[in-house]
Amino acid sequence: EAGVVQSPRYKIIEKKQPVAFWCNPISGHNTLYWYLQNLGQGPELLIRYENEEAVDDSQLPKDRFSAERLKGVDSTLKIQPAELGDSAVYLCASSKDGTAYEQYFGPGTRLTVT
Amino acid sequence: AQKVTQAQTEISVVEKEDVTLDCVYETRDTTYYLFWYKQPPSGELVFLIRRNSFDEQNEISGRYSWNFQKSTSSFNFTITASQVVDSAVYFCALSEAPDKIIFGKGTRLHILP
Repeated sequence: EAGVVQSPRYKIIEKKQPVAFWCNPISGHNTLYWYLQNLGQGPELLIRYENEEAVDDSQLPKDRFSAERLKGVDSTLKIQPAELGDSAVYLCASSKDGTAYEQYFGPGTRLTVT
Repeated sequence: AQKVTQAQTEISVVEKEDVTLDCVYETRDTTYYLFWYKQPPSGELVFLIRRNSFDEQNEISGRYSWNFQKSTSSFNFTITASQVVDSAVYFCALSEAPDKIIFGKGTRLHILP
């Protein structure tokens, strides 16, 4: 069974530029999570999807961050414009039945904003 | 409010030594889950164990063991006879609700050959 796929693995951009991250969850997993992991910290939830619906986006900074999960499979997380403080790892995870107990994580995208 | 504290930021031990990673949690709920994850240099979080609040039995899996003590709100993780491949960042996590997990800040473990 293929795991959670994320791309790109690494991204370097200049501040004020836009950037997008892509996630393909495990087949059959209806729930998808985006996490932010700052250096030396644990992951923090940004947004959770149940199929196409964003059911928890309370921690997503909506002024510059947006996400979508069209057709309830792949998801894209976007930042526009990026700021220096956005440098971090962005992790995607998925689970089959909406419980965080059985989350499977992708390798993450390491973003560097210069 | 739920909280997870991993007081050890970084630990270095020589290969074959035993090492214990500490985790202290705070929760007001009587029903909750505790987790340990491993994050190797490749970046993905690898699930190691989940324990619910009603099961205080210690668990052993190969060289890994976990000690859950509700009286001290701790869920410590011990690696016996450590190996270089155990080098990683280890996260303790807590879930009060089935749809959300709160992670600690992690402990970076270096196993020196």
